[in-house]
Order: sequence, then structure tokens, then C-alpha cells
Amino acid sequence: NAGVTQTPKFQVLKTGQSMTLQCAQDMNHEYMSWYRQDPGMGLRLIHYSVGAGITDQGEVPNGYNVSRSTTEDFPLRLLSAAPSQTSVYFCASSFTGSSSYEQYFGPGTRLTVT
Amino acid sequence: ILNVEQSPQSLHVQEGDSTNFTCSFPSSNFYALHWYRWETAKSPEALFVMTLNGDEKKKGRISATLNTKEGYSYLYIKGSQPEDSATYLCASKPYSGGGADGLTFGKGTHLIIQP
Repeated sequence: NAGVTQTPKFQVLKTGQSMTLQCAQDMNHEYMSWYRQDPGMGLRLIHYSVGAGITDQGEVPNGYNVSRSTTEDFPLRLLSAAPSQTSVYFCASSFTGSSSYEQYFGPGTRLTVT
Repeated sequence: ILNVEQSPQSLHVQEGDSTNFTCSFPSSNFYALHWYRWETAKSPEALFVMTLNGDEKKKGRISATLNTKEGYSYLYIKGSQPEDSATYLCASKPYSGGGADGLTFGKGTHLIIQP
């Protein structure tokens, strides 16, 4: 199993540009989520999904869109990048129910917005 | 949004010493408490997932306890080794439904083991 994969690993955007961060998992996990990690702030939940076709907002959803058309994929879209979105982004997935949502994290995407 | 607090923020410990740190979380609507180990330049990896009040879990020299009534969990490391140096994150998950039921992470305890 590849686990949770994220692309790209690094990205530089100009203010106002849009892009999509890709996340895929091959563990048949129902739950997928996106976090951003900023110095001194820990991991903050952006959006999450409990299954295909179902998404919900986390703590810091503004400026980001998600969709979940398949169990495997959970892309994160930045609509109009801003310098405040400079961060490291982690995708994670888990089973629900008896596993109590133990998270498996991807390797992260480091995004810089200039 | 849950408020998950971890203390201390950072900790320097001599090799061979034992140490512990704290995670506090809202006790209402509690579902699960997670501990993760996060090494520099890597991704967080799960150490423990606990759901029941009074739960104690152990993995080698690392153990954790859970008190859901008062909303806290302790992580213990016995006989610290340099490879234990990492940031330790806890995260709380409420019961599903009613919105805002993703995991909320604390800011972590950054542990440095000094040889």
C-alpha cells in the first residue's frame, strides 16, 4: 500500500492564483481531512469528509474548497491564493467507527504564496 | 470548536530520565483522545487512541492514561532516549453529528532529550 499520498511536495504561487492540492489514499478509508500547520499554531482542521459525496468545514475553511467524488481522492482547492495561506498542508485519512478515527498522514505539501 | 491544550510547550530532559506531559480537552460529548508523535521533517504518526475513562495504553517505554470525566490525558516516557526527541500532539474527537466533529489538535509538546 502507498498509504496517503500528496502532490505536489512544494509549490510557490503568486497572490490571486488558484491551484489544487491533491490527496489520495489506497486504504479504503471513509474519513479524509485536510490540516494546515503554522508555527505556534499546531495542526488546524480545514475541511473533512466522512465519505464520498459528504464534506464539512473544519476550524479554518475560508479560502478553500473541497469535494469527495471517490473514496480514494480528496483534493483541496485554493480559489484565490493569499500570503496568509502560506503554510504546510497535511492530508490525513482514517477508518471511522471502531478505529476511533486514528489518522494516517500524508507527507505534506509546503506552499508559499508571494 | 474544541479547545485542546497541551503543557508544557517544550521540555528539555536528560537522557535516561523519565518525563510526562499533559493534554486537557473538553469532557462533554467526548468520543476519542489521540496521541501522535511528530519527528522533524516527517508526518505525525499515531501512538495511542483511547476512548474509555480510565484507559491506560503502553507501547514500549511510552504510556498514556485517560480521564474523560475531568478532561485530561497524560503521556509518560520512561528512561528517555535521544530518539524520543519529537513533538507530541494530542487530539480530541467529539461524537459525530451536530457539525464540528473533526479532530481538534493541541499545539503539541516539543520534547528534546539531551545526551
